[in-house]
Amino acid sequence: GENVEQHPSTLSVQEGDSAVIKCTYSDSASNYFPWYKQELGKRPQLIIDIRSNVGEKKDQRIAVTLNKTAKHFSLHITETQPEDSAVYFCAASNLLSGTYKYIFGTGTRLKVLA
Amino acid sequence: EADIYQTPRYLVIGTGKKITLECSQTMGHDKMYWYQQDPGMELHLIHYSYGVNSTEKGDLSSESTVSRIRTEHFPLTLESARPSHTSQYLCASKGQANGSPLHFGNGTRLTVT
Repeated sequence: GENVEQHPSTLSVQEGDSAVIKCTYSDSASNYFPWYKQELGKRPQLIIDIRSNVGEKKDQRIAVTLNKTAKHFSLHITETQPEDSAVYFCAASNLLSGTYKYIFGTGTRLKVLA
Repeated sequence: EADIYQTPRYLVIGTGKKITLECSQTMGHDKMYWYQQDPGMELHLIHYSYGVNSTEKGDLSSESTVSRIRTEHFPLTLESARPSHTSQYLCASKGQANGSPLHFGNGTRLTVT
């Protein structure tokens, strides 16, 4: 069945360093890839997304890259700050399928050390 | 303010009880979802709906049921709660536009004793 693999499961970085989280999806029909951030005890919130017709998207310190051939996409956070500490989830979806199901990765717990 | 609301926020019940977790959204979204999540862990889709009178089972086998009689309301019912149902339940909704994101509720943290 469809699945999304996410690595690493935990990541610790020093404040100011960069963090990279990687996901691989199995369904080649997937064309929409959102990233969600979930702080402790709170709901997941969308931080950035990318569609399959774009290779890279950037929003201030956050960027997402997509390699459709390899079925990989990655989240890049630069100049990390303590408030970036959270669990990050990638997801894949096929917006043309009509099902609008999101397949989520297993999550990455990011700790930014001050 | 448009949002998605879940009640109760926390619930502790005994084994065998029937419970309904409420989810309502004021955004007019047609698509709604229920996810089960142990804190900080993977999100498992248990039910979803495309609109009124439409419900589908998700990828995780669940002993719960859902209904969608009104666009804004998508309750989840456990007929007989068990300790294995202890988890957090997150409701989400999505608008019609292709790129519109999932909006999550604050969740219901259920403990079955």
